[in-house]
Amino acid sequence: ETGVTQTPRHLVMGMTNKKSLKCEQHLGHNAMYWYKQSAKKPLELMFVYSLEERVENNSVPSRFSPECPNSSHLFLHLHTLQPEDSALYLCASSPYWDSSYEQYFGPGTRLTVT
Amino acid sequence: AQTVTQSQPEMSVQEAETVTLSCTYDTSESDYYLFWYKQPPSRQMILVIRQEAYKQQNATENRFSVNFQKAAKSFSLKISDSQLGDAAMYFCAYRPDQTGANNLFFGTGTRLTVIP
Repeated sequence: ETGVTQTPRHLVMGMTNKKSLKCEQHLGHNAMYWYKQSAKKPLELMFVYSLEERVENNSVPSRFSPECPNSSHLFLHLHTLQPEDSALYLCASSPYWDSSYEQYFGPGTRLTVT
Repeated sequence: AQTVTQSQPEMSVQEAETVTLSCTYDTSESDYYLFWYKQPPSRQMILVIRQEAYKQQNATENRFSVNFQKAAKSFSLKISDSQLGDAAMYFCAYRPDQTGANNLFFGTGTRLTVIP
């Protein structure tokens, strides 16, 4: 599979569960991003990793924990989420972080917190 | 702070006709980049067109073109000869031209319906 892939595509979890979202890019990029997309709101940038180091953390609650083991993989670990965390979570990658290269997006994980 | 405003939550266009989606942004920067992204119902967002603020010429990509008005901070997208496959959410995005930051600021999107 090419481009940016995300698994699972759909996830339903209770507030006490622990789950992880996975993102993989097959483009040889060095930067990866997590976004949160809620209805009628702009996409919110959550985290940015450049060369496996976190370079941005936009005041995201600690119940979201990112992990970037290598430049091709990005995880978002979830624990004790709230119903308002239900949203579409998008992963993206770009060749480099400090440039204007376009970002390539994955299909997203639709998360529902019950 | 940079903000991006898309004032049209929904638009519709007849197949083969032309439609224009509006976008305005707020910034104090002089150098930046603007983008239009398309998100079809399958949800994978793809880049439609980009514009560098230092370029006066409006960007075009086949049936897609922009009207970039820097002084007015306006960046509209024109889709000519609309096709059924153009139906999607369209997001306008802004990126400041700062080293060490490829952070995009998005608008709330415009849902485009194409009527056969």
